Amino acid sequence: NAGVTQTPKFQVLKTGQSMTLQCAQDMNHNSMYWYRQDPGMGLRLIYYSASEGTTDKGEVPNGYNVSRLNKREFSLRLESAAPSQTSVYFCASSARVGSGGPKEETQYFGPGTRLLVL
Amino acid sequence: AQTVTQSQPEMSVQEAETVTLSCTYDTSESDYYLFWYKQPPSRQMILVIRQEAYKQQNATENRFSVNFQKAAKSFSLKISDSQLGDAAMYFCAYRSPRSGGSNYKLTFGKGTLLTVNP
Repeated sequence: NAGVTQTPKFQVLKTGQSMTLQCAQDMNHNSMYWYRQDPGMGLRLIYYSASEGTTDKGEVPNGYNVSRLNKREFSLRLESAAPSQTSVYFCASSARVGSGGPKEETQYFGPGTRLLVL
Repeated sequence: AQTVTQSQPEMSVQEAETVTLSCTYDTSESDYYLFWYKQPPSRQMILVIRQEAYKQQNATENRFSVNFQKAAKSFSLKISDSQLGDAAMYFCAYRSPRSGGSNYKLTFGKGTLLTVNP
């Protein structure tokens, strides 16, 4: 049981390049999330997927797209990377959302992807 | 909008002693979830403890316990018998129990960096 896995661990991009961050979970969770963490700040939600087949914007979605490929996988795509997207990206999953109780609502995080855009 | 404040950017404690990390939050909701996450140098976000607001009993997990003061909107974390492995950044987080829109996100504080001295 690996929990939440992310690839790659580290990536360097040039401005304007594109890339996809991959995330997978093996906990049979319904809901998945993408956050970014910038220095001196907590995590901020980029996109989320409450259930397979649905995705919605979080608080900082500009410059990103997502795909919920199946129940296990949730990818984040940067179409044209900018230096402002230099950050650490975390994927998370939870059993469910919406009055599920604290255990079901608890989000479990992957190890993060460190992205540097030059 | 909910906000989470961690007023101590850094704390230090001697090994085997007790330390308390502070967290306050602002919300108009009567029920919600609160979490403490630990982020060691590996950057992995690890759940430490969780609390549902309607439960008056403070949550405990081994050496970790919380002091939840709902009226004061305070959620402090106490670490007893501190160990070197407790050294990390600690984040307090809030989550609405309601579904839909931005309610899905965790709202994080900016973190407290805990140093454990041998």
